[in-house]
Amino acid sequence: NAGVTQTPKFQVLKTGQSMTLQCAQDMNHNSMYWYRQDPGMGLRLIYYSASEGTTDKGEVPNGYNVSRLNKREFSLRLESAAPSQTSVYFCASSVRPGTKMSQYFGPGTRLLVL
Amino acid sequence: SQQGEEDPQALSIQEGENATMNCSYKTSINNLQWYRQNSGRGLVHLILIRSNEREKHSGRLRVTLDTSKKSSSLLITASRAADTASYFCATAHSGSARQLTFGSGTQLTVLP
Repeated sequence: NAGVTQTPKFQVLKTGQSMTLQCAQDMNHNSMYWYRQDPGMGLRLIYYSASEGTTDKGEVPNGYNVSRLNKREFSLRLESAAPSQTSVYFCASSVRPGTKMSQYFGPGTRLLVL
Repeated sequence: SQQGEEDPQALSIQEGENATMNCSYKTSINNLQWYRQNSGRGLVHLILIRSNEREKHSGRLRVTLDTSKKSSSLLITASRAADTASYFCATAHSGSARQLTFGSGTQLTVLP
C-alpha cells in the first residue's frame, strides 16, 4: 500500500505558466482533498471531493481548478500561476466525507512561482 | 477566523522530558484532531477527541479537551528524539460538515 502519492515533488514555474499537480490514493477512500501550506500558517483547504464525481470549493479556491478523474485520482490545476501560489501543496484522503474521521496525507509538492 | 491557534509556536526539550502543546479555538466544535508533520513530509493523524470527551490516551500521547475554555492540550510523555516534528491541531466546527480547520502548529525539538 503506497497510501497517498503526489507528483511532482518539486516544481518551478514562471508567472503565467500552467501546471497540474497529480494525486492518487490506493486505500479505496471516497473523499479527497487539496490543501496548501504556507510558512507560519496552518493548512488551508483549496478544494475537496466528497465522492467520485463531485467537487466543492474550500477556503481558498481562487486560481485553482480540480478534477476527480476516478475514485483513486484527484488533480489540481493552476491555469495561470502567480507568485502568491508559491506554497507546499498537500493532497489528502479519507474513508468518507466529513470531519469525524482522520485524513491521510501525501508527501506534498513544493511549488515555486517566479 | 475559526482557526485553531497552537501555543507555544516552538518548544525545545531534552529527551525523556514531557512536552505539552496547547490549542485554542473560537467556535464550538464536533471534534478536535492532532496531527504530526515531520520535516518535508505530509501530516500524520495522531488522535481524535470528540466534543463530549474530556481526555483521551494513545500510547505516550494524552489529549485533553476543555470545551468551556475552547482549548485542548497534547502531552507527549518521555519524549524521544524521533518525536521532533511540527504538531498541528485541527478542529471540526459545528455547522461545517466537511472541512477541518488547521492551526499554525507547534515546532517541537527533542534534544538527545
